[in-house]
Amino acid sequence: ETGVTQTPRHLVMGMTNKKSLKCEQHLGHNAMYWYKQSAKKPLELMFVYSLEERVENNSVPSRFSPECPNSSHLFLHLHTLQPEDSALYLCASSQGIRRGVWETQYFGPGTRLLVL
Amino acid sequence: ELKVEQNPLFLSMQEGKNYTIYCNYSTTSDRLYWYRQDPGKSLESLFVLLSNGAVKQEGRLMASLDTKARLSTLHITAAVHDLSATYFCAVDTNAGGTSYGKLTFGQGTILTVHP
Repeated sequence: ETGVTQTPRHLVMGMTNKKSLKCEQHLGHNAMYWYKQSAKKPLELMFVYSLEERVENNSVPSRFSPECPNSSHLFLHLHTLQPEDSALYLCASSQGIRRGVWETQYFGPGTRLLVL
Repeated sequence: ELKVEQNPLFLSMQEGKNYTIYCNYSTTSDRLYWYRQDPGKSLESLFVLLSNGAVKQEGRLMASLDTKARLSTLHITAAVHDLSATYFCAVDTNAGGTSYGKLTFGQGTILTVHP
């Protein structure tokens, strides 16, 4: 595997279910991100982990719970979601600043989530 | 609150024509990114612009950054069908010296190139 991978690619869940999204980066990066892409809104940053520590939480409801057990893996645990949470969830990773030049964020293919 | 606005949001072009997509942002930043997204696919990095006056070119695409005007442009030259995609600009609002970025994205411009 290369780059940033995400599983599952598609997920349908009921409002009472609990599920988890998984992201893995094979780039040796030290920062990982969760984004939400809805049909009618710009891409929204949800969470950022830098060196396995959560450094950003953009007012995301508690029904979304991130976990970063190590620098290569990132999870998004989902419980009691609402239909409006249906969206494409994208994971990204980046190296951070190297030699004074900012490193680009590389995105995974996303998980298409449908909440019924 | 940072706002990043792209225009146009929809662009239908004929092959061979030139056009420009504009990205305006509302706060100081000297790091701007352009990404491409094909339908059902993830975002692919196109350009990183790191300073005022920066210009980068790759094939038929050229991006520029004017930090004083808070404006970036993505210019398409002699469009071909393969360029059909959604193009996003994103502004990094994190201060220098941090170990991660904080991107705010524009709404995206859906580009369709037809014969």
